Amino acid sequence: EAGVAQSPRYKIIEKRQSVAFWCNPISGHATLYWYQQILGQGPKLLIQFQNNGVVDDSQLPKDRFSAERLKGVDSTLKIQPAKLEDSAVYLCASSWGTGELFFGEGSRLTVL
Amino acid sequence: AQKITQTQPGMFVQEKEAVTLDCTYDTSDPSYGLFWYKQPSSGEMIFLIYQGSYDQQNATEGRYSLNFQKARKSANLVISASQLGDSAMYFCAMREPVRGNKLVFGAGTILRVKS
Repeated sequence: EAGVAQSPRYKIIEKRQSVAFWCNPISGHATLYWYQQILGQGPKLLIQFQNNGVVDDSQLPKDRFSAERLKGVDSTLKIQPAKLEDSAVYLCASSWGTGELFFGEGSRLTVL
Repeated sequence: AQKITQTQPGMFVQEKEAVTLDCTYDTSDPSYGLFWYKQPSSGEMIFLIYQGSYDQQNATEGRYSLNFQKARKSANLVISASQLGDSAMYFCAMREPVRGNKLVFGAGTILRVKS
């Protein structure tokens, strides 16, 4: 079974530029999550999708972050414009029902 | 208020010994799930063990066991016979169905296994 796929693995941009991350969850997993993990901290949930509907986006900085999950499968997370404090690893995860989350390898963003 | 508290920023353990990583949680809901994940330096998040709030027995998975004390709201991870490959960051997390099943993580504990 293929795992959660994320790309790109690494991205370096300058502040005020934009960036997009892509995630393909495990086939059949209805729930998809985007987490932000700043170095030395635990992951923080940015947004949770159930199929293509948003369940929770209370911690998504909506003035600069946006996410979509078209057709209830792949998802993209966009940051525009990026700030220095957005430097982090962006983790995508998916789950089936209430079981454990399966994580991708993450996309590491450095904002200069 | 913190939902998940991991009070040990870092721990050392001698190879082949057992180690306990602490986790306390805060919830008023009777139904919840507790998870432990391992994050090696490579960055991947690896699921280790799960405990449901209604489970009567403490969860075990190989060398991992969860010391679940419901009244104390603690869910400590016990790793027996530590190996060098256990050196990693360990996260405790909680899921509450009434809150959309989102998984909330603690700050983590870095474990270093000494040879």
